[in-house]
Amino acid sequence: AQSVTQLGSHVSVSEGALVLLRCNYSSSVPPYLFWYVQYPNQGLQLLLKYTSAATLVKGINGFEAEFKKSETSFHLTKPSAHMSDAAEYFCAVSVTNDYKLSFGAGTTVTVRA
Amino acid sequence: DVKVTQSSRYLVKRTGEKVFLECVQDMDHENMFWYRQDPGLGLRLIYFSYDVKMKEKGDIPEGYSVSREKKERFSLILESASTNQTSMYLCASSFLGGAAANEQFFGPGTRLTVL
Repeated sequence: AQSVTQLGSHVSVSEGALVLLRCNYSSSVPPYLFWYVQYPNQGLQLLLKYTSAATLVKGINGFEAEFKKSETSFHLTKPSAHMSDAAEYFCAVSVTNDYKLSFGAGTTVTVRA
Repeated sequence: DVKVTQSSRYLVKRTGEKVFLECVQDMDHENMFWYRQDPGLGLRLIYFSYDVKMKEKGDIPEGYSVSREKKERFSLILESASTNQTSMYLCASSFLGGAAANEQFFGPGTRLTVL
């Protein structure tokens, strides 16, 4: 079975600073990896996904993530935080022929002016 | 764009009531899912369905049932609501085959309060 660990339930950054959200996964077979964002009182929106192509994946709103097999990690970064990035972020893992996603507990990002 | 809609954004029910949460998707997706979201626990899968009239239990099916009579619609049923079922409920859908199958599209959620 697959699982995801997100390090840090809350992250606070200054506007313009680097955003770094950590995600480690566990999977016995090559994984598919996803980052979703949830704005207050809304559903989840896909930020980016890794599906065994390029290891550096670019997503929407200036976010990107790098798949590192040796570290079983898929950390999410954005070079310069914006106030609109305040949200909850979820990392998720799946594998071929398993339609289910396993989600991490989520990381809430606060952006300070 | 894929659109997943849920029948209510906010719902307040009393203990013991039967509760129906409805979800509709407009992209002809084969798979549909129901999750509950609680602070610090992320999303936990309740049930999913890969075809009409087909269903499989997720990680926390106790106290819930589902119905899928049409491809576009997936209902979550709380037979006798309890206070510990107060939560945010999210519906999602996805295609059946290939890598794209794993990308799920989410509805806006229903925040259910059981008093």
